[in-house]
Amino acid sequence: GAVVSQHPSRVICKSGTSVKIECRSLDFQATTMFWYRQFPKQSLMLMATSNEGSKATYEQGVEKDKFLINHASLTLSTLTVTSAHPEDSSFYICSARRPAGEQFFGPGTRLTVL
Amino acid sequence: GNSVTQMEGPVTLSEEAFLTINCTYTATGYPSLFWYVQYPGEGLQLLLKATKADDKGSNKGFEATYRKETTSFHLEKGSVQVSDSAVYFCALESGNQFYFGTGTSLTVIP
Repeated sequence: GAVVSQHPSRVICKSGTSVKIECRSLDFQATTMFWYRQFPKQSLMLMATSNEGSKATYEQGVEKDKFLINHASLTLSTLTVTSAHPEDSSFYICSARRPAGEQFFGPGTRLTVL
Repeated sequence: GNSVTQMEGPVTLSEEAFLTINCTYTATGYPSLFWYVQYPGEGLQLLLKATKADDKGSNKGFEATYRKETTSFHLEKGSVQVSDSAVYFCALESGNQFYFGTGTSLTVIP
């Protein structure tokens, strides 16, 4: 099946710093990529949808200035958590959708903000 | 609107026991239905899916049938193994967007 990678898999940072998470579709071109957040023992919550070359669409309640999304190419999307705080600590998962419609999930990035 | 409700856990079973995890949904239109599995510290892996009513998805001994009349997609396995311990998510896709249930944690003990 198709492969979606995320980097880094784990990151620990100090409060106030910014963290960038990369999501790559390794063997297909993704027309759309999605970013999810997962709190401990809870389900995935969609944060935003990004289409290559255009601005991301954020879900209600997600601060677009806090969570910057860039979808620079058909195989790469980045999520930058700006001025991170402990409450931003979470598991962030991306997914990428093929032009044919099937969606594949990345392995996730565990962010811990001290 | 679209939503997924799945049975709350945690579920603890002995090896070789029968597993059922209930999942029901509400949706506008004709969604596709999925079960994903998440092992500790990892992302989601697609376990099985069904794209239309009466379809049965199956993989690794797990099965689920898309029941439109009861708006359900219950996950079953006849004989669980310790390696099946994980969190299972029911999900629907409608309008190219996914909606997930809250997940059910399964622990299988030897």
